[in-house]
Amino acid sequence: GENVGLHLPTLSVQEGDNSIINCAYSNSASDYFIWYKQESGKGPQFIIDIRSNMDKRQGQRVTVLLNKTVKHLSLQIAATQPGDSAVYFCAESETDSWGKLQFGAGTQVVVTP
Amino acid sequence: GAVVSQHPSWVICKSGTSVKIECRSLDFQATTMFWYRQFPKQSLMLMATSNEGSKATYEQGVEKDKFLINHASLTLSTLTVTSAHPEDSSFYICSARDVRDQETQYFGPGTRLLVL
Repeated sequence: GENVGLHLPTLSVQEGDNSIINCAYSNSASDYFIWYKQESGKGPQFIIDIRSNMDKRQGQRVTVLLNKTVKHLSLQIAATQPGDSAVYFCAESETDSWGKLQFGAGTQVVVTP
Repeated sequence: GAVVSQHPSWVICKSGTSVKIECRSLDFQATTMFWYRQFPKQSLMLMATSNEGSKATYEQGVEKDKFLINHASLTLSTLTVTSAHPEDSSFYICSARDVRDQETQYFGPGTRLLVL
């Protein structure tokens, strides 16, 4: 989707709770999706990825769900910790695009004690 | 794991001067590197795709004569912001794709540019 907006949506989560971050993508041809975490003043850090032939993938404390029908991606973080506070971006790519990534708008996650 | 470095990490320059930012893949070779720009509270915007040994491919709206990209080796790409102006102040981030794994992009730590 387009990168618009002068502020990031914020998700406040209590420490220990599960977080769900959502992302809508726009390109039906996208077949590879990635979630990144970005801490203030740093570059994006890879969290987890998923291909379009899957609808769920799990990592350590994280799960990505893909719904191609409605072009929706979500990231679930289990037992959220203070170190999870950051901005989370989804990114999409299609096979014939030479690896070019289209980033979503981002969600600011704030973990409260 | 794969590491990408950027130099400098931050730079302040006067309006009208040129600034060069380096992006290096430290422990892998990258035939393709990407340059992004990120304004405060916004997402990453792809500026250009840098290919080793050939001309960079710029995204729509990005001036190739203003943002010069050189990818002279498999481990180094440079972005030069020519005649910088205050509106060029931003966070510039590069990423690199490992030739052995064309899918994964590894991101650098970013370069903060402030043009006075």
